[in-house]
Formats: sequence, structure tokens, C-alpha cells
Amino acid sequence: SQKIEQNSEALNIQEGKTATLTCNYTNYSPAYLQWYRQDPGRGPVFLLLIRENEKEKRKERLKVTFDTTLKQSLFHITASQPADSATYLCAPLGANAGNMLTFGGGTRLMVKP
Amino acid sequence: DTGVSQDPRHKITKRGQNVTFRCDPISEHNRLYWYRQTLGQGPEFLTYFQNEAQLEKSRLLSDRFSAERPKGSFSTLEIQRTEQGDSAMYLCASSPSGQWREQYFGPGTRLTVT
Repeated sequence: SQKIEQNSEALNIQEGKTATLTCNYTNYSPAYLQWYRQDPGRGPVFLLLIRENEKEKRKERLKVTFDTTLKQSLFHITASQPADSATYLCAPLGANAGNMLTFGGGTRLMVKP
Repeated sequence: DTGVSQDPRHKITKRGQNVTFRCDPISEHNRLYWYRQTLGQGPEFLTYFQNEAQLEKSRLLSDRFSAERPKGSFSTLEIQRTEQGDSAMYLCASSPSGQWREQYFGPGTRLTVT
């Protein structure tokens, strides 16, 4: 069955460092992958979308990579700030999967000042 | 653009009661989704509407769950004969038409079944 794995342990880093979060998937051939941010008690907020033919996508301090050979996406936040503390969710989607999103369990990021 | 709104934000009910939640999507979005999220997990897809038509429904969705979007605008999600396992955050999202568009989520309705 399809499986999406994100590190369930919280990632603690120091302010100013680069945070790297991992999304691994199995039994899947996603055509694209979305990343969302979720703060406690709130709905997810869309951050970035990357397509299978794109190796890397950037938006301000955010960078996403997509390696279809490794079946992995990496999400980087450079020059991290305490305001970046949140849970980050990945959602890979196949070309024929319709419009529903299947999310990983999310990784909680804590940026300490 | 006021974003996606959901009502109520919190609901406490006793086991066996029926509950209904409302979602108002972003006005120009014709797609509407319902998800359920439990603590420490990512949102789990429940159902999807394009305009007033319900096009997808999770196989995990019990017959006790029903959703409507009668005029292609707001949507309601009803849970009949609630069980303690129904306790979760119920999230609504909307998106514009087009392939692989990002979804805009509401704040959610937190349901507690006692």
C-alpha cells in the first residue's frame, strides 16, 4: 500500500541555521508534491508545489527538492527564525489520483532563539 | 477574500448524538474538500465536491457520515450516531479549478465525543 513517511520526532534547531525536513514515499509514483505548514489549532497553509520534472523549487527562504529515484523530497528553510516553528506536512500526488491530498504525518520544527 | 470559514469551531457532544458542521469556501473556488485530522497525524481525506457534485468519497468514510453542497457554495458535513472514535479536527478546504491546485484550509471544527 502507499506510504508517506515524515520524521515523527520533532526537529530542534538554533535560529539562523538551515532546517531540513524529509518526506519519503513508497509504492507511489507522484507527479507532483505539495508542502504545507500547520500551526497548532489551525488548518494547513500551502507553501510550495514541485512537479516530478523539477529537481528544485525555491520561494524566499524555502527550498524543496524532489528525487523520484530516491522517492524522497527534502524541504529546507534557510536562516531559520523562531516564527518558522510549526508542523510541516508533505502531500505527494499521482497524476491520476484525482484531487484528494494524502498527507504524511508531518514533522514538527522548533527553532530556538 | 475572507478565506475559508468553518462553524462551529468547537463541538462537544455525547455519544449517539448527531452533529452537523458547516464550511464556507472562498467564493470563487468551485472545489471543496473535507478532511479529518487526529492528534499527531496529517489530515485524512474524507470527500470532495466540484460545484454541487460529490465526486470522490473515501472508502474509509462510514455510512454515518454524509456531506452536501446543495448550491455549490457552502457545504455541510453530518455525522450520525457519533462514536468516541469520531473525536477529531474536521477540516474544510477549497481550491480553484485546474490540475493540482493548492488547497486553502479553514480553521477546522474540533469535535469531542464524550
